[in-house]
Amino acid sequence: NAGVTQTPKFRVLKTGQSMTLLCAQDMNHEYMYWYRQDPGMGLRLIHYSVGEGTTAKGEVPDGYNVSRLKKQNFLLGLESAAPSQTSVYFCASSYSPQGQGLNTEAFFGQGTRLTVV
Amino acid sequence: DAKTTQPTSMDCAEGRAANLPCNHSTISGNEYVYWYRQIHSQGPQYIIHGLKNNETNEMASLIITEDRKSSTLILPHATLRDTAVYYCIVRPLDQTGANNLFFGTGTRLTVIP
Repeated sequence: NAGVTQTPKFRVLKTGQSMTLLCAQDMNHEYMYWYRQDPGMGLRLIHYSVGEGTTAKGEVPDGYNVSRLKKQNFLLGLESAAPSQTSVYFCASSYSPQGQGLNTEAFFGQGTRLTVV
Repeated sequence: DAKTTQPTSMDCAEGRAANLPCNHSTISGNEYVYWYRQIHSQGPQYIIHGLKNNETNEMASLIITEDRKSSTLILPHATLRDTAVYYCIVRPLDQTGANNLFFGTGTRLTVIP
């Protein structure tokens, strides 16, 4: 059981380049999320998804797009990378039984360290 | 969303209990208290959560005051591996998922040999 796996672990981009970060989970979770973490700050939510084919904006969505074509995968795209997007990106997933309103723990990946020069 | 206040940093001697406080004076009746931790360069890890009763699991204990305005996470026998940033988070009972997990800056716990 791998849990939440992020690809790649490290990446350096030039300003204006595009890239996609992949998050995969093997726990059959409905909910998936992308966070970013900057030095000295906590995690901030970029986008999230409550199920296959659905996405929603989080706290800091500008400059990012996401897709959830398959339940197990959540992709984060940067169409035109900027130095301000230099950060560590974390993906997470959680299980949320329909209609039961339960609070469940979130499982996080190990992070992708992205540097935009 | 209710805000939390935590000390910026704390030290604890190895083998002793680590008591991490959190103030959440504006917490609502339908909000849980969650604790996560983040070991250097790793993703956050869930520790424990509770509503109003004290909770204990294999990792830690959570003590919530009767008025629910503050709580304490207790690591009973701290080890060097417990050195991490600890986040106290409050979130509504009726909201599922982690889209409403608001991470602040947390408490940096250093366990000293």
